[in-house]
Amino acid sequence: AQSVTQLGSHVSVSEGALVLLRCNYSSSVPPYLFWYVQYPNQGLQLLLKYTSAATLVKGINGFEAEFKKSETSFHLTKPSAHMSDAAEYFCAVSDQAGNQFYFGTGTSLTVIP
Amino acid sequence: DTGVSQNPRHKITKRGQNVTFRCDPISEHNRLYWYRQTLGQGPEFLTYFQNEAQLEKSRLLSDRFSAERPKGSFSTLEIQRTEQGDSAMYLCASSVQGIGGYEQYFGPGTRLTVT
Repeated sequence: AQSVTQLGSHVSVSEGALVLLRCNYSSSVPPYLFWYVQYPNQGLQLLLKYTSAATLVKGINGFEAEFKKSETSFHLTKPSAHMSDAAEYFCAVSDQAGNQFYFGTGTSLTVIP
Repeated sequence: DTGVSQNPRHKITKRGQNVTFRCDPISEHNRLYWYRQTLGQGPEFLTYFQNEAQLEKSRLLSDRFSAERPKGSFSTLEIQRTEQGDSAMYLCASSVQGIGGYEQYFGPGTRLTVT
């Protein structure tokens, strides 16, 4: 069975501050992990993915995430928040066959000017 | 390539009516997924196709829901006898196996409101 837990349904940061969005996963098989961003009334856009290569994954828009097996975590970070980063962020896990994808409940990021 | 498209973008229907949504995936993608997303929640997996074969169905997919992908290209999701609890955003995604597994590309979704 696979699942993800996103701690903090709402996160607020000041413009220019560090962004940290938390994701913990549960998987009985080696997981593939993903972060998606969703803007209002739009579909999801892939930010980055971990697929058992490098544990530090760099994505689009300056985001990165680190896979930590010992902590079963895949937290998303960005050194300096921009106003355009305000959106809903989802962490997801799948098996390596891509048969099903399980999403977390999302974290809404607010950026304060 | 214009990405994944979904039609209609919005649908308002009365309880008890049938509705059908369409998804056109990225042309070379052999996998197509349907999800349901309610307010404040992440997408919930409903079903997926590999080419024209429906390989997985969630327990969320009641017998009022049916999905098809007749020629392995576009897909339709039909909901019969709609209920107010069916109100949600229905998302479609497509993927193809590449280096590092499958990467999903999502459409903009169809927002269903059942009155």
